[in-house]
Amino acid sequence: AQSVTQPDIHITVSEGASLELRCNYSYGATPYLFWYVQSPGQGLQLLLKYFSGDTLVQGIKGFEAEFKRSQSSFNLRKPSVHWSDAAEYFCAVGLTDSWGKLQFGAGTQVVVTP
Amino acid sequence: NAGVMQNPRHLVRRRGQEARLRCSPMKGHSHVYWYRQLPEEGLKFMVYLQKENIIDESGMPKERFSAEFPKEGPSILRIQQVVRGDSAAYFCASSTSGSLSGGRVQFFGPGTRLTVL
Repeated sequence: AQSVTQPDIHITVSEGASLELRCNYSYGATPYLFWYVQSPGQGLQLLLKYFSGDTLVQGIKGFEAEFKRSQSSFNLRKPSVHWSDAAEYFCAVGLTDSWGKLQFGAGTQVVVTP
Repeated sequence: NAGVMQNPRHLVRRRGQEARLRCSPMKGHSHVYWYRQLPEEGLKFMVYLQKENIIDESGMPKERFSAEFPKEGPSILRIQQVVRGDSAAYFCASSTSGSLSGGRVQFFGPGTRLTVL
């Protein structure tokens, strides 16, 4: 069955430390890949996307993600987190023949401590 | 250019009432998607509409839920005879196309948080 897995439900990280959020997918072909961030009570904001080409993708707010086909993964990273990065992060995939609809992982809640 | 707008932002209904959620896509966008986020879960696709057409409603519950996107005006997600299990955040997204090819993305609204008492 097709699926998107974010193994970490909750991550706590110190301000200034590095952050990595994991995302694995299970599909027959390489899908389009996205990371969204959701602040409390807010909608979703696109951080970055992967469609093809360079497997290391740069996004907004200093985030980057690396697509690894062999591992079916699209992990999100940030070298040094800021208190404002506390939010929920969602990995999403879109299939090429799916009318553009997205399938989301369950999300990872990131808490930033001083 | 205003983003995707949804109203109301918060909606409280008693069991058995009707809930109407509105979504105005970004200017120039004629493709609308509705997603539901249950507590502690990710977003789940419900329905994809173009102007005056439902293209894919594979994620919609079979009963009580309906959606429309008329030629004029916002897209409406309607839930009849709400039950407590309908309590969730409902997000609308819009796009210039029903395809993701070419790097197209969906832009999300702030959501409507429905509480059923």
